[in-house]
Amino acid sequence: NAGVTQTPKFQVLKTGQSMTLQCAQDMNHEYMSWYRQDPGMGLRLIHYSVGAGITDQGEVPNGYNVSRSTTEDFPLRLLSAAPSQTSVYFCASSGQARSYNEQFFGPGTRLTVL
Amino acid sequence: QQQVKQSPQSLIVQKGGISIINCAYENTAFDYFPWYQQFPGKGPALLIAIRPDVSEKKEGRFTISFNKSAKQFSLHIMDSQPGDSATYFCAAKGSGGYQKVTFGTGTKLQVIP
Repeated sequence: NAGVTQTPKFQVLKTGQSMTLQCAQDMNHEYMSWYRQDPGMGLRLIHYSVGAGITDQGEVPNGYNVSRSTTEDFPLRLLSAAPSQTSVYFCASSGQARSYNEQFFGPGTRLTVL
Repeated sequence: QQQVKQSPQSLIVQKGGISIINCAYENTAFDYFPWYQQFPGKGPALLIAIRPDVSEKKEGRFTISFNKSAKQFSLHIMDSQPGDSATYFCAAKGSGGYQKVTFGTGTKLQVIP
């Protein structure tokens, strides 16, 4: 049971490039979320999904796209990277069966946009 | 809009001392208050959580105190150890289905020997 996995662990992009951050979970959780973590700002929700085929925007969705074709995978796409997207990105999953839907976080992807 | 305010931003405590981190919230619809612990290079992990129907919850050296009328809650780490050095986030969410979690800005704790 690997929990929540994220790839890559580190990435450097140039302004304007696009890329996809991968996230997968093997706990059969219904809910998955993407957060970004910036110094002094805590974790901010980018996008989330309540099940395969269902996604919605969080607090800071601009510049990011998501899709969820399977229960296990929830990739985050940066359409045209900007320096403001330099951050650490965390994927999290949670399931309805657990009381108050405890979130399990992946190890993160550290992204630098030059 | 910052709905969960956390303080202090950083904290240095001597080994064996008590670490105290405070949080305040605004949204009265919140009814679940978790604390997350994050070590460098790792993702946050749930440490302890409380619901507003109790005023205190203790798990080992970690205690949450909750004041519903003041809309405040705090984490107390008793007998702090160097291994407790990490960043701590308080958070709040509502109940039922998927509820967005609102996080505090984090407290970096350093426990010195």
